[in-house]
Amino acid sequence: SQKIEQNSEALNIQEGKTATLTCNYTNYSPAYLQWYRQDPGRGPVFLLLIRENEKEKRKERLKVTFDTTLKQSLFHITASQPADSATYLCALGNYGGSQGNLIFGKGTKLSVKP
Amino acid sequence: NAGVTQTPKFQVLKTGQSMTLQCAQDMNHNSMYWYRQDPGMGLRLIYYSASEGTTDKGEVPNGYNVSRLNKREFSLRLESAAPSQTSVYFCASRREEGNTEAFFGQGTRLTVV
Repeated sequence: SQKIEQNSEALNIQEGKTATLTCNYTNYSPAYLQWYRQDPGRGPVFLLLIRENEKEKRKERLKVTFDTTLKQSLFHITASQPADSATYLCALGNYGGSQGNLIFGKGTKLSVKP
Repeated sequence: NAGVTQTPKFQVLKTGQSMTLQCAQDMNHNSMYWYRQDPGMGLRLIYYSASEGTTDKGEVPNGYNVSRLNKREFSLRLESAAPSQTSVYFCASRREEGNTEAFFGQGTRLTVV
């Protein structure tokens, strides 16, 4: 069955540094990958989507890469701030029927210390 | 624009009781979903509705039923609650299946005692 691993349950970094979160997957060939942010007591909020034919996507201080050979996505937050502290989820998806449903990783809890 | 609205936000049930979680979206989305989120397990799909009039099982459907009442509303019913159903439940919607983003409600924290 498909398996998604977000390598770290928790990541602690200093303000101003770049946070790098990893999402690995097995037994799956996703057509796209999404990243979400979840704050305590709230639902996940969409951040970025990257398709299988795209190597990199950027949005302000966020950058996502997608390597279908390594079966891995990296999510970077540059110049991190305490307000970036949250849990970040990756989600994989495909096209057509139940394949269109998103499969979520367990998340990485990021803490940015001032 | 409210997005996805879930009710209630908190609920405590006794084992064997029934209840319905309500979800409504105002974005004219075709697809709607119910997930549960447990510590260490991540988000798991319970049921989904790809379009109005259709519903299908997800990864963990046992003990639940759903109704896609109309395009806006998708409810989740627990007929006989069990302690194993203690969880946080999220409703989500997407414009369609495929590479579109999901919009989530604020969640329902359910405790079954």
